[in-house]
Amino acid sequence: NAGVTQTPKFQVLKTGQSMTLQCAQDMNHNSMYWYRQDPGMGLRLIYYSASEGTTDKGEVPNGYNVSRLNKREFSLRLESAAPSQTSVYFCASSELWSNEKLFFGSGTQLSVL
Amino acid sequence: KQEVTQIPAALSVPEGENLVLNCSFTDSAIYNLQWFRQDPGKGLTSLLLIQSSQREQTSGRLNASLDKSSGRSTLYIAASQPGDSATYLCAERGADGLTFGKGTHLIIQP
Repeated sequence: NAGVTQTPKFQVLKTGQSMTLQCAQDMNHNSMYWYRQDPGMGLRLIYYSASEGTTDKGEVPNGYNVSRLNKREFSLRLESAAPSQTSVYFCASSELWSNEKLFFGSGTQLSVL
Repeated sequence: KQEVTQIPAALSVPEGENLVLNCSFTDSAIYNLQWFRQDPGKGLTSLLLIQSSQREQTSGRLNASLDKSSGRSTLYIAASQPGDSATYLCAERGADGLTFGKGTHLIIQP
């Protein structure tokens, strides 16, 4: 049982490059999330999808876009990477938007030079 | 904006001790509170989820309590083991979504 799978695990970009982080879950969950984790800042929500077909901004959405491709997959795109986007990115899912446990992927370490 | 505070930021104790990790939150309309464990270089693993109508949850050597009136939750770890070494994060869910604390880095000395 894979749970939440993120790719890639590591990525180095140059300023201005674009890339897409992929996330897939096999638990038939309705809600999916993208977080970033920075030292001293904790986990901050970038975007979320409460259910298939919907996406909403979280606390720090600037510079990112998301796509809920289907119920299983939720991607995060950086259109023009900046050094401030150097972080560890986590995808998570839950059965429902509220009152349910979150299940996390293993993360993507992104460095923007 | 809701805030979640975890004290202490770091803790080191000898193996076998019972210990308590603290989490305080400002949201007066909390839906639930969740405790997570994070190992270095890994994602978060949910340990316990306490709904707003509950006072505590238990799983093995772990017990989490919730006191909405004081805005506090505690995670009690009994008979600590070196394998418990990790960062423990709490997160409260309210109307604004999930707000995480910055975590307590726990080291259990063999």
